[in-house]
Amino acid sequence: AQKVTQAQTEISVVEKEDVTLDCVYETRDTTYYLFWYKQPPSGELVFLIRRNSFDEQNEISGRYSWNFQKSTSSFNFTITASQVVDSAVYFCALSEAHPGRRALTFGSGTRLQVQP
Amino acid sequence: EAGVAQSPRYKIIEKRQSVAFWCNPISGHATLYWYQQILGQGPKLLIQFQNNGVVDDSQLPKDRFSAERLKGVDSTLKIQPAKLEDSAVYLCASSSYGLAGAGKAWNTQYFGPGTRLTVL
Repeated sequence: AQKVTQAQTEISVVEKEDVTLDCVYETRDTTYYLFWYKQPPSGELVFLIRRNSFDEQNEISGRYSWNFQKSTSSFNFTITASQVVDSAVYFCALSEAHPGRRALTFGSGTRLQVQP
Repeated sequence: EAGVAQSPRYKIIEKRQSVAFWCNPISGHATLYWYQQILGQGPKLLIQFQNNGVVDDSQLPKDRFSAERLKGVDSTLKIQPAKLEDSAVYLCASSSYGLAGAGKAWNTQYFGPGTRLTVL
């Protein structure tokens, strides 16, 4: 069975600090997909990134970067120079290639609070 | 492009009453999902449709929950009768899997704003 673990329940930082959110996953499949979503106080889940299991290249998008390491089954997310608008709950999620397992398995989320 | 639409946004009912939620996916998206998110937890899948067929409903409490997607577009999720533990946000998501020309983003799921259900 697939599983996603986000061990950090809540993180509080001061604006402009860098912060890394950890994600560890378990799956028996060789082909799978990893995602990060942001859930601001409004409640809607906002898609941030999708990564497939064959692409271990790290990705940077503005202040956001993602580090995918297959050897440790981790897909960590770093926000550089955090801002108050980054305050939200962040979810890591996994889906598999099998047609019956494409639904997302989510971690329990990490609440990030960025203080001004 | 319009996103996933859901209604109502909020609903308060008493236990043992029935309730229905509606979802309209992104235009052309063949796959539709319903998730339940209990406060403080990540969303959990209830049911997955591809077009108007059910792909996975293994986690749907079928004694009280039902869902349909009759014409392969919008969907309705119903709870009857509701229990206190059904208080949660019900999220609808869609993806372009199954759509010709979906490209690399075929399995990225886009979520609606959710319906917050409170059962008293």
